[in-house]
Amino acid sequence: GENVEQHPSTLSVQEGDSAVIKCTYSDSASNYFPWYKQELGKRPQLIIDIRSNVGEKKDQRIAVTLNKTAKHFSLHITETQPEDSAVYFCAASNGDKLIFGTGTRLQVFP
Amino acid sequence: DTAVSQTPKYLVTQMGNDKSIKCEQNLGHDTMYWYKQDSKKFLKIMFSYNNKELIINETVPNRFSPKSPDKAHLNLHINSLELGDSAVYFCASSGATGANTEAFFGQGTRLTVV
Repeated sequence: GENVEQHPSTLSVQEGDSAVIKCTYSDSASNYFPWYKQELGKRPQLIIDIRSNVGEKKDQRIAVTLNKTAKHFSLHITETQPEDSAVYFCAASNGDKLIFGTGTRLQVFP
Repeated sequence: DTAVSQTPKYLVTQMGNDKSIKCEQNLGHDTMYWYKQDSKKFLKIMFSYNNKELIINETVPNRFSPKSPDKAHLNLHINSLELGDSAVYFCASSGATGANTEAFFGQGTRLTVV
């Protein structure tokens, strides 16, 4: 079955710096890769997603890249702000089920 | 309007008890899920239903029994609760058959077994 690995588990950055979170997946049939943000005590919410026919997608300060050959995808957050502090989850789906990575706790210090 | 709602938000119960968590979505979605989030924040899929039919049943103890009376509801019943069942349980729904679209999560139910 699908296995999604996510690194790092924790990430601390200064406000204004960039943050990068990386994920790898095992199932070559996976074709949908969303990223979720979970603030403390709240539900996970989608922030950006990418499909396998696209190599990169950007939405304001966040961007996601996908390398299907290497089976890895990354989340890039530029100009980080304190409100970006949260746990971020990558996920991969082959259409049957959405498998989540282990999460990255991002802390942005003012 | 809450898109995916779960009740209760908190549940504290003794070992051996039976409890249920209810989930309802008003998004008109066909697919609903239960996820378990443990103390390390890992999100693991437990069940997936499409239009009231069970699609995915991960290796979950059979003490956990989902029930979908209609496609807008997916309830989770847990028998003989154990300490290790303590976690936050999230219900979610998505619009398409399968898992290739955004999943909308409920607010979670924090279950504490004492």
